[in-house]
Amino acid sequence: QVQVVQSGAEVKKPGASVKVSCKVPGYSITEFSIHWVRQAPGKGLEWMGGFDAVNSKTVYSQRLEGRVTMTEDTSTDTAYMELSSLRSDDTAVYYCILDIPFDYWGLGTLVTVSS
Amino acid sequence: DIVMTQTPLSLPVTPGEPASISCRSSQSLLDSDDGYTHLDWFLQKPGQSPQLLIYMGSFRASGVPDRFSGSGSGTDFTLKISRVEAEDVGVYYCMQRREFPFTFGPGTTVDLK
Repeated sequence: QVQVVQSGAEVKKPGASVKVSCKVPGYSITEFSIHWVRQAPGKGLEWMGGFDAVNSKTVYSQRLEGRVTMTEDTSTDTAYMELSSLRSDDTAVYYCILDIPFDYWGLGTLVTVSS
Repeated sequence: DIVMTQTPLSLPVTPGEPASISCRSSQSLLDSDDGYTHLDWFLQKPGQSPQLLIYMGSFRASGVPDRFSGSGSGTDFTLKISRVEAEDVGVYYCMQRREFPFTFGPGTTVDLK
């Protein structure tokens, strides 16, 4: 059974960066196209970016362009989502998703931005 | 960006009765290259991660009960539950993946009457 395992909750100050990790035990991370979606408390779902398998490149939401970076470390089979210049409205649960298609979601990582 | 709207935003349901949710996109979600409609439906049960119900407009995801069905084309889509069960409560989202950025509808909250 495919599982998506994400890193634990984080508390950050405004202006800092956060890096959330995502692993799929038993699988190479390169087998999947990874996407990230976030959900602010009590709000809906927002797509942040992901791997475009057709064009073999990572695509980001323009709303977050310049602040978000999605990477993979093939030596540890880990995907990362790093968000910089954090603001209070970045407080959200961040989900890692396997695009096969969007059928496997992690449990989410709560990132709280507070001074 | 493609804008997704859903109606209703709140839907009280009676177990055993049918229910339906509409989703509309600001542009057609039909990809003429592959012939597929790039519209997915998700259910987020209370306290859980969203789960895929329907992909490509009408294909049920693995393990999804057959009481769920998706239909529609172009810009208008419908998710139907033939007979609602208590476990179906939660927030339903449609999402377009016709083009980047992928965009979600605002969600429809389904709860029991």
